[in-house]
Amino acid sequence: GENVEQHPSTLSVQEGDSAVIKCTYSDSASNYFPWYKQELGKRPQLIIDIRSNVGEKKDQRIAVTLNKTAKHFSLHITETQPEDSAVYFCAASRGGGNKLVFGAGTILRVKS
Amino acid sequence: GAVVSQHPSWVICKSGTSVKIECRSLDFQATTMFWYRQFPKQSLMLMATSNEGSKATYEQGVEKDKFLINHASLTLSTLTVTSAHPEDSSFYICSAASTGANVLTFGAGSRLTVL
Repeated sequence: GENVEQHPSTLSVQEGDSAVIKCTYSDSASNYFPWYKQELGKRPQLIIDIRSNVGEKKDQRIAVTLNKTAKHFSLHITETQPEDSAVYFCAASRGGGNKLVFGAGTILRVKS
Repeated sequence: GAVVSQHPSWVICKSGTSVKIECRSLDFQATTMFWYRQFPKQSLMLMATSNEGSKATYEQGVEKDKFLINHASLTLSTLTVTSAHPEDSSFYICSAASTGANVLTFGAGSRLTVL
């Protein structure tokens, strides 16, 4: 089955700096890669996703890149703000409506 | 947009009792729902895939007799934790996608504490 690895487990950045979180996946049939932000005790919130037919997607300060050959994808947050502090999870699935396999998560701390 | 409601949001029960958690798709029909479990400071682990009108598909290592899943309608799936023990204490989250949709929507989660 699919295995998703995520690094780093914790990331501290200064406000205004960029943050990058990386994930790798094992199942070459996976074609949907969402990123979720989860605050303590809350549900995961989808912040951006990418499908295997594109290599990059951007939404304001957030961007995701996908390298299908290497089976890895990354989340980039620019101009970080304190409210970006949360746990971020990457995930992979064979199609957006199918079961997701999550990475272990990254605790992002943005210091002001 | 698609809304998934989960109830209860938190529950405390005594060891040995059973607890039922409901997951409802409020504005769409979901032939498939997914149940996840999340321990503190850990990731979401898929427990099972709930299929409307048929048996659930359980992930390896998840006891089907312990975690009973029923998906009796296109808008409701239930997870029953039977004979709960303290080690079952966790955050349980469901997710669903409308037929043909390509994005999953998560419920708000249910925090179970077994004393």
